[in-house]
Amino acid sequence: GAVVSQHPSRVICKSGTSVKIECRSLDFQATTMFWYRQFPKQSLMLMATSNEGSKATYEQGVEKDKFLINHASLTLSTLTVTSAHPEDSSFYICSARPRKLQLAGGVGEQYFGPGTRLTVT
Amino acid sequence: DQQVKQNSPSLSVQEGRISILNCDYTNSMFDYFLWYKKYPAEGPTFLISISSIKDKNEDGRFTVFLNKSAKHLSLHIVPSQPGDSAVYFCAARVYSSASKIIFGSGTRLSIRP
Repeated sequence: GAVVSQHPSRVICKSGTSVKIECRSLDFQATTMFWYRQFPKQSLMLMATSNEGSKATYEQGVEKDKFLINHASLTLSTLTVTSAHPEDSSFYICSARPRKLQLAGGVGEQYFGPGTRLTVT
Repeated sequence: DQQVKQNSPSLSVQEGRISILNCDYTNSMFDYFLWYKKYPAEGPTFLISISSIKDKNEDGRFTVFLNKSAKHLSLHIVPSQPGDSAVYFCAARVYSSASKIIFGSGTRLSIRP
């Protein structure tokens, strides 16, 4: 099956610093990757959609200057939380949609990474 | 406002019985509904989907029912097995976008022996 990895799985950083989270599709090409944020006992909230080689599309209320997304290749997308604050502490999870599925007009299946737990102190 | 709602945070079912997970939605612009399953420390995995023009889709032990008039869908698992214990997310795909998916808050299913 399709595998998506995230690195790191856990990170603790100090307030004011920046942290980068990587999302990789290991055995398939993904033209589209998604970044979600999940608070305890809440749903996965879509933050942004990134397409390879183009700018990310951010959801309403998500600060694009704070959450920088780069999708430089068909297998890698990165999320950088800039000038992190304690309220940014959350579980960040990415997903990737296989290129061949997208071309075939698939339902919207996405393969998720295991998530990254960010704690800002 | 939450467009996809799972009002039961948890559910406990005896092994061999039927598990029924419920989901309500408020937006009529969804064209597909999906269920994802999530184990601890892993990302959600796609389980089953249903088109908004259908009212039932079955895949092995899993059946999803859609009631458009009530804006309600449910996932039936029968018979329930210990490996089914996980968090189940209901999700809906926005019609105007081929990829944007809105998730519910999840229901933790526990299968007891």
